[in-house]
Parts: sequence; C-alpha cells; structure tokens
Amino acid sequence: NAGVTQTPKFRILKIGQSMTLQCTQDMNHNYMYWYRQDPGMGLKLIYYSVGAGITDKGEVPNGYNVSRSTTEDFPLRLELAAPSQTSVYFCASSSRGAAYEQYFGPGTRLTVT
Amino acid sequence: QKEVEQNSGPLSVPEGAIASLNCTYSDRGSQSFFWYRQYSGKSPELIMFIYSNGDKEDGRFTAQLNKASQYVSLLIRDSQPSDSATYLCAVLNSGGYQKVTFGIGTKLQVIP
Repeated sequence: NAGVTQTPKFRILKIGQSMTLQCTQDMNHNYMYWYRQDPGMGLKLIYYSVGAGITDKGEVPNGYNVSRSTTEDFPLRLELAAPSQTSVYFCASSSRGAAYEQYFGPGTRLTVT
Repeated sequence: QKEVEQNSGPLSVPEGAIASLNCTYSDRGSQSFFWYRQYSGKSPELIMFIYSNGDKEDGRFTAQLNKASQYVSLLIRDSQPSDSATYLCAVLNSGGYQKVTFGIGTKLQVIP
C-alpha cells in the first residue's frame, strides 16, 4: 500500500495562476480531507469529502475548489492564486471519519509570488 | 470559533526523562481527542487518541483527559532523541461532523 500520495511535492506559482493539487489514496477510505499548514499556525481544514460525489466546506474554503468523482482521488483546485495561499497543503484520509485516525499524505509545499 | 491552545515551546528534556505536553480546548461538547507527532518537514502521524476521562497508556505514551477542565495532556516516559518532534493536539468539533481543530503544536527537544 502506498497510502496517501500527493503531487507535486513543490510548486511555485505566480499571482493569478491556477493549479490542481492531486491526492490519491489506495486504502479504500471513504473520508478524505484537505488541510493547509502555515508557520506558527495549526492545520486548517479547507474541504472534506465523506464519499464519492459528496464534498463540503471546512474552516478556510475561500479560493479553493474540490471534486470527488472516485473513492481514490480528491483533487484540490486553486483558482487565481494569491500570496495568502502560500502554505504547505496536506491531504488526509480515514476509514471511519474524523473521530478516528486520519492518514496524511507527504504534503505539497506551494509558494505564490 | 473553536480553539485548541498549546504552548509552542520548545520544551527541552534530557534523554530518559518524562516529557509532559499540555493542551486546552474551548469546545465543551468535544468527545474525541488526538495527539499527532510531526517531524520537521514531514506529515503528521497519529500516536494517541482518547475519548474518555482519565488515562490511556500505549507503550511509553500516556494520554490524559479531563473534560471538566477541558484539558488534554501527553506524557512521554523515558524520552529518546528520536522523540524530538512537534506534537499536535487535535479535537473533534462537537457541531462539525468531520471538523477537527488542531493546535499549533509543541516542539519537543530531547537532549542526549
């Protein structure tokens, strides 16, 4: 099992550009999450999904979009990148939801300049 | 706004000592509490979870929960240099079905 994989590992974007952060899990987990982690701040939930076709906003969804067409994949879309979106982004999955263990991917370090 | 408070540290302890990490939370209805360990430049990994008041032990780790005081702690016995990492306290929000609030983490340094 590869667990949760994320691509790319690093990316530099110019202001106004768009990109998609990829997240794939091979554990057949229904629950998937996107977090961002800024220096000196806790992980913040951006979006989550409880199964294919079902997504909902987290704490900081503005500037992002998600889709969940399959159980395995949960891409995060950034439209019109802004410097405030410079962060490390983590994808996570869980077999039984946030009341139980979440398995995190290795992260994507994004810089917007 | 649900909050989880942790001292950012660093907390320095000598090898073999007990490290005590603390966390307070604001959501009185919370039922699930987690401790994640995050090495520098890596992703978080779960080391303990606790749902009931009292202590839960797993090897060298003990999680303690006091819901009346809204307080969670993590004790690491016989601390090793490999325990040097940032420890994130996380609390499942009572009203948000899938929403977990994380603290900023406490950086632990175990000195050989």
